Amino acid sequence: AQKVTQAQTEISVVEKEDVTLDCVYETRDTTYYLFWYKQPPSGELVFLIRRNSFDEQNEISGRYSWNFQKSTSSFNFTITASQVVDSAVYFCALSPTGANSKLTFGKGITLSVRP
Amino acid sequence: ETGVTQSPTHLIKTRGQQVTLRCSSQSGHNTVSWYQQALGQGPQFIFQYYREEENGRGNFPPRFSGLQFPNYSSELNVNALELDDSALYLCASSFTGRGEQFFGPGTRLTVL
Repeated sequence: AQKVTQAQTEISVVEKEDVTLDCVYETRDTTYYLFWYKQPPSGELVFLIRRNSFDEQNEISGRYSWNFQKSTSSFNFTITASQVVDSAVYFCALSPTGANSKLTFGKGITLSVRP
Repeated sequence: ETGVTQSPTHLIKTRGQQVTLRCSSQSGHNTVSWYQQALGQGPQFIFQYYREEENGRGNFPPRFSGLQFPNYSSELNVNALELDDSALYLCASSFTGRGEQFFGPGTRLTVL
């Protein structure tokens, strides 16, 4: 069975602060995908990143960066110099790499960025 | 490129009724997945359709059923609605094997 744990439920920061969202996962699959999605108040899930389990290189995209550590089963997401528009619920998710790409989500982290 | 669309946006039903939700997949995608998101929770996988066949199912009862059409659009049907079925229903499309799923805006279902 697959499981994703997002232990933080709510985080509040002041604009321009850096913030890290934690994600820990469990799976028996030898290969898998990890994802982060953003859900703004409108409700639509916005795809941010997909990481394959065999690629442990960290990734940076603008103010966003992701730290994948297979040894600790973690896939953490850092927002640098946060902005008010970053306020949303952030979900970490896991899926097998086979044809059935069922996503298993964590419970989400509500991020509030105050001006 | 057209993204994933869902209809209707909102729906109010009473307990025991039946409901049909619709989803049009993103251009070029052949797989559609449905998720239920209760308030304050992460989305839960209902089922997935590929080539008009169910290709995996989550822990949902048989009164949740679906269809996929030749143009890859899909329907989610829920019979005998219960109060706990109140949730945001999300449709996601993908190209099999690629991993990324792209979500529609969802249908907010309220069961009274």
